[in-house]
Amino acid sequence: DTGVSQDPRHKITKRGQNVTFRCDPISEHNRLYWYRQTLGQGPEFLTYFQNEAQLEKSRLLSDRFSAERPKGSFSTLEIQRTEQGDSAMYLCASTRTSGGTGELFFGEGSRLTVL
Amino acid sequence: DAKTTQPNSMESNEEEPVHLPCNHSTISGTDYIHWYRQLPSQGPEYVIHGLTSNVNNRMASLAIAEDRKSSTLILHRATLRDAAVYYCILRVGPSGSQGNLIFGKGTKLSVKP
Repeated sequence: DTGVSQDPRHKITKRGQNVTFRCDPISEHNRLYWYRQTLGQGPEFLTYFQNEAQLEKSRLLSDRFSAERPKGSFSTLEIQRTEQGDSAMYLCASTRTSGGTGELFFGEGSRLTVL
Repeated sequence: DAKTTQPNSMESNEEEPVHLPCNHSTISGTDYIHWYRQLPSQGPEYVIHGLTSNVNNRMASLAIAEDRKSSTLILHRATLRDAAVYYCILRVGPSGSQGNLIFGKGTKLSVKP
C-alpha cells in the first residue's frame, strides 16, 4: 500500500495554457475524489468517481474542467485555458465503499500556479 | 448538507489535553460525525468518526452530545506534531461511507512547547 500518489506535485503555467493532473489511488479503492483548496480555506469538492463512472460534479467544475477515470484505476483532471483564479492545490482522495470505515485517503496534492 | 461550526483557532500547550468543539445543530439521524486534520503542506488525514456513542482510537477520542447537536474531539496529550487544521464534517449514509465530504474552514490548532 503506497498511498495516493499525485503528479506533478507542482505546476507553473501561463494563463491560457492547458494543464493535466494525474492521481493514482490506493489499489482496490473503487471511489476516487478530486478537491481544490485555496490558501486559508478548506478543501472544496469538485467531483468523484465510483469505478469509471463519474457520479457527482460540483458546480465549481466549470466547462474548462474535465475529469476522467477510464479504467477505474488512475484518474486525470484537466484544466483548459487556465485562468489566474485556477491557482490552487488540487487534492485527490480515494476510498473503498465496502469493508472499511469509508475514510478518505488523500494524496499530498498538486499545486498549480497560473501566471 | 448539514453544516458545522468550529472556532477559527485554538492554542494548546504541549503534553496537555486539547478539546476541539464542533456544533452541528441541524444534524440528521443518518449523519455521521467525521473528523479530519490537515498538517501543513499535506493532504487531510482521517482522525475519527462516530454516530451516537463516544469513540476512541489511537489518535483521539470523540465525545458526542446526547442530542447529537455538538461533539468534541479530544487529543489526550498534544504534541507539536498535532499542530494542524482540524475539520469536523457531517457525512450521510448508513456507514458514513456514502457521498462526499464537505469541508468547512476548520479549527487551526497551535501547540506551544
